[in-house]
Amino acid sequence: NAGVTQTPKFQVLKTGQSMTLQCAQDMNHEYMSWYRQDPGMGLRLIHYSVGAGITDQGEVPNGYNVSRSTTEDFPLRLLSAAPSQTSVYFCASSPGQGRQPQHFGDGTRLSIL
Amino acid sequence: AQTVTQSQPEMSVQEAETVTLSCTYDTSENNYYLFWYKQPPSRQMILVIRQEAYKQQNATENRFSVNFQKAAKSFSLKISDSQLGDTAMYFCAFGNNAGNMLTFGGGTRLMVKP
Repeated sequence: NAGVTQTPKFQVLKTGQSMTLQCAQDMNHEYMSWYRQDPGMGLRLIHYSVGAGITDQGEVPNGYNVSRSTTEDFPLRLLSAAPSQTSVYFCASSPGQGRQPQHFGDGTRLSIL
Repeated sequence: AQTVTQSQPEMSVQEAETVTLSCTYDTSENNYYLFWYKQPPSRQMILVIRQEAYKQQNATENRFSVNFQKAAKSFSLKISDSQLGDTAMYFCAFGNNAGNMLTFGGGTRLMVKP
């Protein structure tokens, strides 16, 4: 049981490039989310999805796009990378309902030069 | 919108002793969930303990326990018999009733000294 799998683990981009961070879960969870963690800070919600075909914005959505065509996958797209998007990105999933904790992937460290 | 505040950026404790990490939050919701996550140097986010706001009884998980004060909007984590493996960043998080988002505090870096 792999849980939440994120790829790649590390990536370096140049300003203006686009990229997709992949996230897949094999737990049949309805809810999936993307967070970013900047140095010395807690995680902040970028986008989330409560089911296939349903997405919504979190606290810091600008510059990012998401889609949810299947229950398993929830990719995050950077449209035109900027140095301010240098961060560690975490994908998470949960079965839904507030009492259920979110399960996190191992993160993707992204550097924008 | 919710806010979560962890007022202790760094703490240290001697091995085998007890340490308490503080967390306060602000919300207008009545039903919600609170979590403590541990992030070791490996970067993984590991759930330590959770508390349902409608439960008065404080949650416990082995050496970890919480002091949940709903009226004061306080949610502290107590680690008993600290171990070297407890060295990590600890994040307090507020979960809404719908379960679709978490709001995190800024974290407390805990160092357990031998």
